[in-house]
This record gives sequence, structure tokens and C-alpha cells, in this order.
Amino acid sequence: ETGVTQTPRHLVMGMTNKKSLKCEQHLGHNAMYWYKQSAKKPLELMFVYNFKEQTENNSVPSRFSPECPNSSHLFLHLHTLQPEDSALYLCASSQGTSGGGITDTQYFGPGTRLTVL
Amino acid sequence: GQNIDQPTEMTATEGAIVQINCTYQTSGFNGLFWYQQHAGEAPTFLSYNVLDGLEEKGRFSSFLSRSKGYSYLLLKELQMKDSASYLCLQLEGLLTGGGNKLTFGTGTQLKVEL
Repeated sequence: ETGVTQTPRHLVMGMTNKKSLKCEQHLGHNAMYWYKQSAKKPLELMFVYNFKEQTENNSVPSRFSPECPNSSHLFLHLHTLQPEDSALYLCASSQGTSGGGITDTQYFGPGTRLTVL
Repeated sequence: GQNIDQPTEMTATEGAIVQINCTYQTSGFNGLFWYQQHAGEAPTFLSYNVLDGLEEKGRFSSFLSRSKGYSYLLLKELQMKDSASYLCLQLEGLLTGGGNKLTFGTGTQLKVEL
């Protein structure tokens, strides 16, 4: 148990649906991350929140919308997705730094396996 | 673009030693991580190197040479449960705007056989 939980673990949705992925960390961390892992491709960093402020957005399409209401919770809102968005979506957290950036060890949740039909 | 290079697959025998290499671009280097990921599971942290040399943690050791842009993960006394993907991650300092960038390699799939 890594202290980072994600729900749901599996999600199947149509291209017109709206759904949300939830991540919660119980480690007292201040930084949280969303990653996308597609088959045979490196992990792709999508969003970073450091002390509840978004600090990174690596050119992610607007059909993915993150929300970080507090340092323990992170959401990824999904709408009008495409079949190529099917992947494992991983949440991670780390201690975080007041100066921003990614400098410390990240602890991952189990991921949400998303299938877009 | 992708600037982390590690072998795609490796096979080793139970009880043996295996070394997984990783090369990276040296500009702006701020640290190198190794993670283990079993199929269908989240990555778990193994090691972090920021200075040259060898870091040992039980059966796992990680080595870094900053001048060569090279790291390796050494696994001793291999067990069947060590069959997994091993991810090399580079932390780079960004020249503009501050902050850091984290780049993952594609991972090395290690298969441990009897």
C-alpha cells in the first residue's frame, strides 16, 4: 500500500460521456501529478500541482481537465475523449517544494485503466 | 523528444545478477530515479542518484556517472518476483522559467527464469 489511492480502478466510457478520475493521497504531501501510460510508450506527465497551484501542463488536450481542491485530492475530468485516449492513468504524489518544480521522490497510485469506445 | 535510452528486454536466471543500463542527455541534469513496475500495477520507487557513485539498498544497487550520462541498476540474487519493468527517469533543470522536467525511459522488461 503506497498511501495513494485512485478510483475507479477501471472505467469504460463512450466518446460523448463525461467522467472524472479521483486520486487521494494520505502521505501529507504537497505535490500531486497525473500521468498517462499507453502500451509500449513511456510514462507521459500530464499535470503537476505543487501546493495546489498548477505548475506543469505538457500540452495536454483540453478534453482533459484537472482539479486540485486541496493538497490531498486530485481529479481528472474527462469529456469527449477519443479512442486513442485509452490508457492507464496514474496519479502520484511527492513532498513538493515551495519553489515549484519536481525534485523529489514520487509515490504512485494503482492507476485507472480507461477504455474509450 | 525522447532522450533516455535503456534496453527493451532482458532475461536472466533466478539467483543470478543482472545489470540494467540507462543513458541520458547530460544537459541540466538534476538527478536520476529508478522505478520498478509490475504488469498492471503502479511504479514503485527503487533509488535516486544525484552524485556519482554506487548507492546500495539490499539486493538492489544503482550507479551514476554524470560525466558519461550513464546509470545502471544492479539486481543481485534474482528472484522470480523481480520479473517486472524497470523505468529509468531523468530529472532535468529547465534553463528558462525555473523548475524541473521529469523524463521517463520506455522501461526495460526483465524476465527472470528458473
